[in-house]
Amino acid sequence: EDQVTQSPEALRLQEGESSSLNCSYTVSGLRGLFWYRQDPGKGPEFLFTLYSAGEEKEKERLKATLTKKESFLHITAPKPEDSATYLCAVGDTDKLIFGTGTRLQVFP
Amino acid sequence: DTEVTQTPKHLVMGMTNKKSLKCEQHMGHRAMYWYKQKAKKPPELMFVYSYEKLSINESVPSRFSPECPNSSLLNLHLHALQPEDSALYLCASSQRPFLGTDTQYFGPGTRLTVL
Repeated sequence: EDQVTQSPEALRLQEGESSSLNCSYTVSGLRGLFWYRQDPGKGPEFLFTLYSAGEEKEKERLKATLTKKESFLHITAPKPEDSATYLCAVGDTDKLIFGTGTRLQVFP
Repeated sequence: DTEVTQTPKHLVMGMTNKKSLKCEQHMGHRAMYWYKQKAKKPPELMFVYSYEKLSINESVPSRFSPECPNSSLLNLHLHALQPEDSALYLCASSQRPFLGTDTQYFGPGTRLTVL
């Protein structure tokens, strides 16, 4: 059965303290891996799509990487406005399979 | 522009009411989705429309009735809901019917409370 696991469940960082979020997956054939950011009470905001192992994408302080079994979302020198829940999802044949998310809090 | 709009932002309804949620996109996307999200949980797929036809119904109770009047609009009709149906309802769209590769873009959601 296809499964997506995110860790840690919650992460508290000091402003400027870089870290990584992990998304591990077991799927029969990866089609696409998606990262979203979600603020409380709002819809997920698209960040990145990765399709093949070795692929990397960057946007401001965020960098997403993909291997054959997992993806990492690296946050460099985070700011308080980066506080949110980060969702990872894998594309199955006809639907997205979401992980349970990592709740990130960045303190000044 | 990757905007999906949803109205209303908030909705409070009684168990005997009939109400509708509306979703709109003008990106020319041909697939649209309804998701339900409970607090601290990931979104759960409810319905998928591909080329304005219902292609997936994830065994959703009949008190939820989707409708796709045209390629830009998606409605979710609500009737005789239960308090446990209170949640954030999300609409999403993708350029093509989802085969695992197309990015889905989400709207801001409708916060539904059933009394």
